[in-house]
Amino acid sequence: AQSVAQPEDQVNVAEGNPLTVKCTYSVSGNPYLFWYVQYPNRGLQFLLKYITGDNLVKGSYGFEAEFNKSQTSFHLKKPSALVSDSALYFCAVRGIPPNAGNMLTFGGGTRLMVKP
Amino acid sequence: DTEVTQTPKHLVMGMTNKKSLKCEQHMGHRAMYWYKQKAKKPPELMFVYSYEKLSINESVPSRFSPECPNSSLLNLHLHALQPEDSALYLCASSQGGAAGPSGNTIYFGEGSWLTVV
Repeated sequence: AQSVAQPEDQVNVAEGNPLTVKCTYSVSGNPYLFWYVQYPNRGLQFLLKYITGDNLVKGSYGFEAEFNKSQTSFHLKKPSALVSDSALYFCAVRGIPPNAGNMLTFGGGTRLMVKP
Repeated sequence: DTEVTQTPKHLVMGMTNKKSLKCEQHMGHRAMYWYKQKAKKPPELMFVYSYEKLSINESVPSRFSPECPNSSLLNLHLHALQPEDSALYLCASSQGGAAGPSGNTIYFGEGSWLTVV
């Protein structure tokens, strides 16, 4: 079975400082990893994904994520946080088809609070 | 364009009412999904349609009835709901069918906020 863990319920960072939102995963075979962001009272927006290739993936709004196979991690990062980045962030994994392994499995979510 | 459109944005219904949530995408995606999300929790998968056929039902109560009239539309019919069914209902879609490459991104709509009174 595949699983995703986001060890921090909330991350607090000052505006202008770098931010990291952590994610670790467990899946058989090669993982397909995703980050989504959810602003208050909105749906989920796709940020970035790792399929294969370069371990550093760049996405929307200046976010990037680093895939680390040995540590089974896919941490989300941004060099300089903005107040507008405050939101709920979900890491997700898709496994290997067929069956439900092809479905998204979400982590519990991490609330990012960026303070001015 | 990666837009999934959901209507209505808000719905309040009584426990004896019948209502429907609607979802539309024009990206040519052949997999469409319904998720349920409670506050501050991750989305939970309810149903998956692949090429307009129901491929996954995650043991959802029969008071929720999905329908896929064509490749662009997905409905969720609601009947005799309970207050605990109040949640954000998210529609999503992805390229190819649900058994397609796992690297395909699943795109979500803005959701329909459902309150059962």
